[in-house]
Amino acid sequence: QVQLVQSGAEVKKPGASVKVSCKASGYTFTGYYMHWVRQAPGQGLEWMGRINPNSGGTNYAQKFQGRVTMTRDTSISTAYMELSRLRSDDTAVYYCARVRGSWSLSYWGQGTLVTVSS
Amino acid sequence: QSALTQPASVSGSPGQSITISCTGTSSDVGGYNYVSWYQQHPGKAPKLMIYEVSNRPSGVPDRFSGSKSGNTASLTISGLQAEDEADYYCSSYTSSSTDVVFGGGTKLTVL
Repeated sequence: QVQLVQSGAEVKKPGASVKVSCKASGYTFTGYYMHWVRQAPGQGLEWMGRINPNSGGTNYAQKFQGRVTMTRDTSISTAYMELSRLRSDDTAVYYCARVRGSWSLSYWGQGTLVTVSS
Repeated sequence: QSALTQPASVSGSPGQSITISCTGTSSDVGGYNYVSWYQQHPGKAPKLMIYEVSNRPSGVPDRFSGSKSGNTASLTISGLQAEDEADYYCSSYTSSSTDVVFGGGTKLTVL
């Protein structure tokens, strides 16, 4: 069965960077785009971007351009999302999610809480 | 402010039907058949309920249905059950700079 297992919670200071991992299993990792979505406490879902695990090509939401980097390591079926120059309003649960078809997200990781606090 | 507009809350009694709307523009909901709906229980990851406007993934009860008219998509839940109480989010592909936009979410209360 498809599983996405994310790395554990992080606490970072403002200005630092965080890198969240998402290990995939149960399917061909390079066959499906991986998206990243975040959710601030008590707030809605926000799309950050996606990566093509086969080519490494990325598309980022304009809001995060210049601060986010999505990468992958096909040898271990793992996708990564790194966010730099963290601010307090980056405090959120970060999810990786695999697509079904084109733009719907059918499988989700368990989420990684990133807390940005001085 | 979210790109797609949803009501903040809806409610219904067990057995009733409810509909949640999701209003966008011709650049997203109205222009593409890539509307999805997600259910999220507190503390859990979202779950895909509807994809490409009206398709249900396997395992999703047929009480859940989706549709679209113009720039507005809708999720209908018939025969409401207690376990349907959750937050629901719509999303759409968009030709704007962000590729995917979400609605602000709708809290469904089963009375």
